[in-house]
Amino acid sequence: TQLLEQSPQFLSIQEGENLTVYCNSSSVFSSLQWYRQEPGEGPVLLVTVVTGGEVKKLKRLTFQFGDARKDSSLHITAAQPGDTGLYLCAGEDQAGTALIFGKGTTLSVSS
Amino acid sequence: GAGVSQSPSNKVTEKGKDVELRCDPISGHTALYWYRQRLGQGLEFLIYFQGNSAPDKSGLPSDRFSAERTGESVSTLTIQRTQQEDSAVYLCASATPPADTQYFGPGTRLTVL
Repeated sequence: TQLLEQSPQFLSIQEGENLTVYCNSSSVFSSLQWYRQEPGEGPVLLVTVVTGGEVKKLKRLTFQFGDARKDSSLHITAAQPGDTGLYLCAGEDQAGTALIFGKGTTLSVSS
Repeated sequence: GAGVSQSPSNKVTEKGKDVELRCDPISGHTALYWYRQRLGQGLEFLIYFQGNSAPDKSGLPSDRFSAERTGESVSTLTIQRTQQEDSAVYLCASATPPADTQYFGPGTRLTVL
């Protein structure tokens, strides 16, 4: 069974701090995606990482895909209250049809 | 609107009643997915439709759950004889294969009393 474990489950920080969220699995994924979900809305795709060792930057967000394609991390620099939300990692299931999601990291950034 | 829409946004029902949830995908998207999100949990895959192919129902938790899609348009997820453990947000997403980006609707929050 493919599982994605995310840590930490909850994170509460002050504006301006840096943070890292982790997504780990014992399975190899062809790609991993990161989503952000705000209350009352569906998840919105932030990035897809495909190549082992790949690093992608999206403004203050840096995404890394592990060399073995079993793990990924999301690093946020100088967090802002607008970064508050649920961050989910997801990978394609073995059938290549649906996404397997981690349980998410709930981030709260206070000003 | 250009996004995925879902209705109703909220549904409160009594245990044992049937409910029907609706999803309007983005026009032209051939793939449609239903997921369930329990409080504090990630998304759990339920069912996948791709064009006119037979749907992948491998994620449906019991035979009380069923879904239909007419062509490449609207889909309905039906839950019969609802139970309290069915309470969750039900999310729909659509996509255009082979692209891997799924676009999600806002979800329907189902509460079974």
